Amino acid sequence: NAGVTQTPKFQVLKTGQSMTLQCAQDMNHEYMSWYRQDPGMGLRLIHYSVGAGITDQGEVPNGYNVSRSTTEDFPLRLLSAAPSQTSVYFCASSPDRGRTYEQYFGPGTRLTVT
Amino acid sequence: AQTVTQSQPEMSVQEAETVTLSCTYDTSESDYYLFWYKQPPSRQMILVIRQEAYKQQNATENRFSVNFQKAAKSFSLKISDSQLGDAAMYFCAYRLMYNNNDMRFGAGTRLTVKP
Repeated sequence: NAGVTQTPKFQVLKTGQSMTLQCAQDMNHEYMSWYRQDPGMGLRLIHYSVGAGITDQGEVPNGYNVSRSTTEDFPLRLLSAAPSQTSVYFCASSPDRGRTYEQYFGPGTRLTVT
Repeated sequence: AQTVTQSQPEMSVQEAETVTLSCTYDTSESDYYLFWYKQPPSRQMILVIRQEAYKQQNATENRFSVNFQKAAKSFSLKISDSQLGDAAMYFCAYRLMYNNNDMRFGAGTRLTVKP
């Protein structure tokens, strides 16, 4: 199993550009989520999905869109990048909504918006 | 909203010594999990230890143990016999027992291990 994979590892965008951060897991996990990590702060939840076709907002959803067409993939779209979106983004997955304890994290994507 | 506070931005420890990282949290719920995650320079988030709030016994994983004080809403991590590989950012996290949707993290503590 590759676990949770994220691409790209690094990305530089100009203000106003759009892009998609990719996340995939091969563990048949029902639950997937996106976090951002900013200096001096812990991870904050952006969006999450409890299964294919079901998504919902987390703590900081503005400026991001998600979709979940398959169990494996959960891409995060930046519609019009802003410098405030400069951050490290983590995707995570878990076997179910809450009965299990652990989320499995991907390696992260470092995004810089200039 | 639940919040998690780590009051020590940085800590250092001598190799083979013991260090304790602090974490407090605020919640009105009774059923929840607490976690400590390690983030080395590779950025990978690695689960170190977890504690179920309904368990009175403190969790232990090899050299890692916690001091869980539910009434005080405190959840500290003790690392014994510190090793160079323990150097990393450590994050305390909280989530409700039946809700994976709202995991809250502290700001982290950077641990340096001196040889």
